Amino acid sequence: GAGVSQSPRYKVAKRGQDVALRCDPISGHVSLFWYQQALGQGPEFLTYFQNEAQLDKSGLPSDRFFAERPEGSVSTLKIQRTQQEDSAVYLCASSLATMDWNQPQHFGDGTRLSIL
Amino acid sequence: AQKITQTQPGMFVQEKEAVTLDCTYDTSDQSYGLFWYKQPSSGEMIFLIYQGSYDEQNATEGRYSLNFQKARKSANLVISASQLGDSAMYFCAMRLSPGYSSASKIIFGSGTRLSIRP
Repeated sequence: GAGVSQSPRYKVAKRGQDVALRCDPISGHVSLFWYQQALGQGPEFLTYFQNEAQLDKSGLPSDRFFAERPEGSVSTLKIQRTQQEDSAVYLCASSLATMDWNQPQHFGDGTRLSIL
Repeated sequence: AQKITQTQPGMFVQEKEAVTLDCTYDTSDQSYGLFWYKQPSSGEMIFLIYQGSYDEQNATEGRYSLNFQKARKSANLVISASQLGDSAMYFCAMRLSPGYSSASKIIFGSGTRLSIRP
């Protein structure tokens, strides 16, 4: 499809396991964003890429969270040694370019992560 | 620090009526953008409307309009002639203009759950 694609749609993991969440942005979109959305809350910024460069990772809650976008297209958010508080929906968004700051970010359907 | 406040956790509206969803924001910056997103139960965030801080006219997109009152720092969303498909969570959000270190992120409010009654 033409939208932002995220996989898996749902992920259940035991506490302590590592997980990897994938985001395939809209073709040609330079900017890619990851957000974490807790139940009943608005999304909170995690990290931002411009092409393959990670320009802002100020929202990553701990060093257990790591994101990459090696070829400037698909991105992976990895969470190591998962904990129960990591349970949330992880949203990926892309937009044409960061300097077009009034450009809306286009979101995927998210990955719902549950840590048991 | 920038902040978005949505004071209505939930609203019920009769189909075909107009509804206003409240949003206030806090920033000391002069240049920023305000967005509204809709999130159905499927989870996807759908962009609805955008208002720039220097835009003199209120933004409109079909049945959506944004009542922008800069001095009051409010950016309320108005949905005219509501439909059953409008039932969803609605988020107000803000982004700073380039040049600020936090310009890459969008800051979201806590959302308002809108339910349309038939």
